[in-house]
Amino acid sequence: GQQVQQSPASLVLQEGENAELQCNFSTSLNSMQWFYQRPGGSLVSLFYNPSGTKHSGRLTSTTVIKERRSSLHISSSQTTDSGTYLCALERGNTNKVVFGTGTRLQVLP
Amino acid sequence: EAAVTQSPRNKVAVTGGKVTLSCNQTNNHNNMYWYRQDTGHGLRLIHYSYGAGSTEKGDIPDGYKASRPSQENFSLILELATPSQTSVYFCASGEPATGQLYFGEGSKLTVL
Repeated sequence: GQQVQQSPASLVLQEGENAELQCNFSTSLNSMQWFYQRPGGSLVSLFYNPSGTKHSGRLTSTTVIKERRSSLHISSSQTTDSGTYLCALERGNTNKVVFGTGTRLQVLP
Repeated sequence: EAAVTQSPRNKVAVTGGKVTLSCNQTNNHNNMYWYRQDTGHGLRLIHYSYGAGSTEKGDIPDGYKASRPSQENFSLILELATPSQTSVYFCASGEPATGQLYFGEGSKLTVL
């Protein structure tokens, strides 16, 4: 079954609203990473966060290993935040990195 | 800044033809990966490598081969391309100690 599940699958916000994206995993974790992808574009790393909380501008990532989840919080969303957000984890200590199916975010002006 | 470059960026192939997608990294990372991305499936791991001379099967290896002749280069080979292999392919390199990945720009493959 799917080892990395992201929710919601899609999200529409008005500019200025906040968003909380979730990534839940059913396998042991060695690393957790969040990526942003523009439509048709490459992937840009937002956070490498295997545990704890990290901040970058309007973005916050929190990974709680015991609860097998990681979240990405976007505050005061902007239209330029629109795109797909993907989480990826390395299973155990295997060097095998797998992805969730992503959350497609649309921020309206 | 980590650098991963893929070629070709766009490719149109015929069914039954051979396709080779190339990836070069200048990060001196041991690990390299090939993924494909399709609507509704996200990124799925095809093959990966721990270093020169090694290749490992990912989650969807059928119909694909991989080659890692050097630390810098990792190729994905479709010996007999099929329309179901039409997709966008991404290569990545990674630091084994952390699992952090750096991606190329992607290669769009269309098999007619």
